[in-house]
Amino acid sequence: NAGVMQNPRHLVRRRGQEARLRCSPVKGHSHVYWYRQLPEEGLKFMVYLQKENIIDESGMPKERFSAEFPKEGPSILRIQQVVRGDSAAYFCASSPSLSYEQYFGPGTRLTVT
Amino acid sequence: ELKVEQNPLFLSMQEGKNYTIYCNYSTTSDRLYWYRQDPGKSLESLFVLLSNGAVKQEGRLMASLDTKARLSTLHITAAVHDLSATYFCAVSSNTGNQFYFGTGTSLTVIP
Repeated sequence: NAGVMQNPRHLVRRRGQEARLRCSPVKGHSHVYWYRQLPEEGLKFMVYLQKENIIDESGMPKERFSAEFPKEGPSILRIQQVVRGDSAAYFCASSPSLSYEQYFGPGTRLTVT
Repeated sequence: ELKVEQNPLFLSMQEGKNYTIYCNYSTTSDRLYWYRQDPGKSLESLFVLLSNGAVKQEGRLMASLDTKARLSTLHITAAVHDLSATYFCAVSSNTGNQFYFGTGTSLTVIP
């Protein structure tokens, strides 16, 4: 009974490189959410996806960030041309339906050098 | 945008003592969640509060919700060291699309 899986757990990128973060939701969950947590802060919503659709991306920066949740495979959060300010923990959560409790993955800690 | 405020931000308490963490939110929502996060770890769900007056208890923790006051409390009874962690409250938006998190309360229980 696997929970939300994220990989990699730790990712180091140099400025200007691309970062790809993967999230496999709980089996049977079709709703996926991405959050970013800066040190000593709470989680900030980035994007909400259902299979093959972005439902709400109001929390995601307009440039360099994109997310997808294809019909097959994990959800991907992609950050192009990373900058130091992108260093943070990125958490994925999933739920079986809207407004239901969200289950969080272990997070990916991105460090941009 | 829905805002969620927690206080205190930092709490240091002795073992055996009681204390309450407060969570205020700015607009109507009837779903409130409490999570625990240990350093470097993910969020662990503690409570889901779905209606006005809801009260839930698990061990030394008890959570309550007053939707009219837009206030939730997390009460700690006879604290033990294992409760040291950061506690977050979160409120779902009316559309249910996203959770808004408080800033967190970093709790340290000292012997």
